[in-house]
Amino acid sequence: AQRVTQPEKLLSVFKGAPVELKCNYSYSGSPELFWYVQYSRQRLQLLLRHISRESIKGFTADLNKGETSFHLKKPFAQEEDSAMYYCALSGLAGGTSYGKLTFGQGTILTVHP
Amino acid sequence: DTGVSQDPRHKITKRGQNVTFRCDPISEHNRLYWYRQTLGQGPEFLTYFQNEAQLEKSRLLSDRFSAERPKGSFSTLEIQRTEQGDSAMYLCASSFSSFSYNEQFFGPGTRLTVL
Repeated sequence: AQRVTQPEKLLSVFKGAPVELKCNYSYSGSPELFWYVQYSRQRLQLLLRHISRESIKGFTADLNKGETSFHLKKPFAQEEDSAMYYCALSGLAGGTSYGKLTFGQGTILTVHP
Repeated sequence: DTGVSQDPRHKITKRGQNVTFRCDPISEHNRLYWYRQTLGQGPEFLTYFQNEAQLEKSRLLSDRFSAERPKGSFSTLEIQRTEQGDSAMYLCASSFSSFSYNEQFFGPGTRLTVL
């Protein structure tokens, strides 16, 4: 079974402060991890994925298989980062993704001026 | 192509009625997914298609729910004999299956309210 846990429903920080959104997962195979973001009145969109190991809008996330975590981090939060963030997992087999995503409950990030 | 589209955006119905939603994926995408999202929760997987074949269905998908993708392009999700517990946002997503990763592009959703 696949499971994704985001322990914080709400997270508030001030502009310029570091931010970390936590994500833990449970999966018996090889996971593919993602962070999706939903800004106010917009559709859900991909922020980043662990395979590409890239930084998007200043956010990074490292897959820690030992701790089964994929925390999202940004050293200096901006007001425009305020949004709902979802961590999601998909299974991998032979390099081909299984397809379906299992989402966490989401964390609402509010960045105050 | 402006992305994944869904129709209608909002649907209000009375308990016991049937409803049908449509999803048009990004044109070159061969995979299409349906998710359901209730208040305060993340999206939950319902079913997905690769081309016209329905490859997986969640246990959440009771026999009142049926999905089709007849020509491997658009898809419909029908709910028969709606119940108040069916009230939710229904999301559609599409992707192009590849050997490396599976980025899904989401539509705006159809919000269903069952009175």
